[in-house]
Amino acid sequence: DIQMTQSPSSLSASVGDRVTITCRASQSISTYLNWYQQKPGKAPKVLIYAASSLQSGVPSRFSGSGSGTDFTLTISSLQPEDFATYYCQQGYSTPGSFGQGTKVEIK
Amino acid sequence: EVQLVESGGGLVQPGGSLRLSCAASGFIFNSFWMSWVRQAPGKGLEWVANIKQDGSGKYYVDSMKGRFTISRDNAKNSLYLQMNSLRAEDTAVYYCAREAPVAILDYWGQGTLVTVSS
Repeated sequence: DIQMTQSPSSLSASVGDRVTITCRASQSISTYLNWYQQKPGKAPKVLIYAASSLQSGVPSRFSGSGSGTDFTLTISSLQPEDFATYYCQQGYSTPGSFGQGTKVEIK
Repeated sequence: EVQLVESGGGLVQPGGSLRLSCAASGFIFNSFWMSWVRQAPGKGLEWVANIKQDGSGKYYVDSMKGRFTISRDNAKNSLYLQMNSLRAEDTAVYYCAREAPVAILDYWGQGTLVTVSS
């Protein structure tokens, strides 16, 4: 099974900050990597698919990069509505697997 | 508008069974893989199982093989998860999700809570 490891597990940041979250796969997954945002009590929402493609309707301050085993989600200028938990998920083998999540909190 | 509505959750004793349902609307159901994903209280997301468009392919996370069965009824636009031999650690919110190509979970239901406790 492919293991996904995110770092950090949590971070504190201020509105306007640039935030970077990393995700590492235990084996190469090419660019079969998706990112999700989840707010408390809500279902997750896809932000980025195929490592770097922005899902329709998602603000352009979100971006993704990487291939193989190492991936990054970047929020260029953190907004109040971005405080949430973020998960990476591999789509290379089915069923997929998620990272453990990164909680972005207000500093 | 794509909608996924789960039902069937509730309180069940350890060793018991439960069947979850997911009613889909707003898209051509038999054109998409479908998945179940769960989230234990205060924990992260865990993919449970998925099923091919015609039901001919089913995949499970190892820890649930033999206890959980995913199925679908394309005539009723419905997805199911039969859960047997339930354990306390199966307590979670269970989400159904539509799976776009390359395992993108692009639409999710609101989730249904399963509590396994005596």
